[in-house]
Amino acid sequence: NAGVTQTPKFQVLKTGQSMTLQCAQDMNHEYMSWYRQDPGMGLRLIHYSVGAGITDQGEVPNGYNVSRSTTEDFPLRLLSAAPSQTSVYFCASKVSAGKYGYTFGSGTRLTVV
Amino acid sequence: GQQVMQIPQYQHVQEGEDFTTYCNSSTTLSNIQWYKQRPGGHPVFLIQLVKSGEVKKQKRLTFQFGEAKKNSSLHITATQTTDVGTYFCASTLYNFNKFYFGSGTKLNVKP
Repeated sequence: NAGVTQTPKFQVLKTGQSMTLQCAQDMNHEYMSWYRQDPGMGLRLIHYSVGAGITDQGEVPNGYNVSRSTTEDFPLRLLSAAPSQTSVYFCASKVSAGKYGYTFGSGTRLTVV
Repeated sequence: GQQVMQIPQYQHVQEGEDFTTYCNSSTTLSNIQWYKQRPGGHPVFLIQLVKSGEVKKQKRLTFQFGEAKKNSSLHITATQTTDVGTYFCASTLYNFNKFYFGSGTKLNVKP
């Protein structure tokens, strides 16, 4: 099992550009989430999904879109990048609700200039 | 804003000393999970607590869930340099599908 795979690992964008952060898991997990991590802020939930075709907003959804067409994939789209979106982005998945913990990907470090 | 508050933000200890981090909420938590993130790495799930007053141990780590289910703690006995990292608590609060993380406690262990 590869677990949770995120691509790319590093990305530099210019303000106003758009891009998609990829996330794929091969564990047949129902739940998937996107978090951003900024110094001193912990991990903040952007969007999450409880199954294919079902997504919802987290704490900081503005400027981001998601879709979940398959169980395996949960891409995060930045519509028009802003310097405030400079952060480390983590994708995570877990089996379902209940006692299971999240398995995290290795992260994407995004810089918007 | 942060749904679960974590203290302290930083902790520097000498190897062999004990360490404790606390997680507090103003609302009753349905559960609490703890994660560890090594420098430059990603969070790794450690444990979940769901019952009032629950205590669980993993070797030198002791996890507690408060009687009122509004706070939790992680205690490390006799820290080692391998314990270095940031420890996060997380909970679903009132929406079982949304997982909120605390701001984390960064632990540095001096050999």
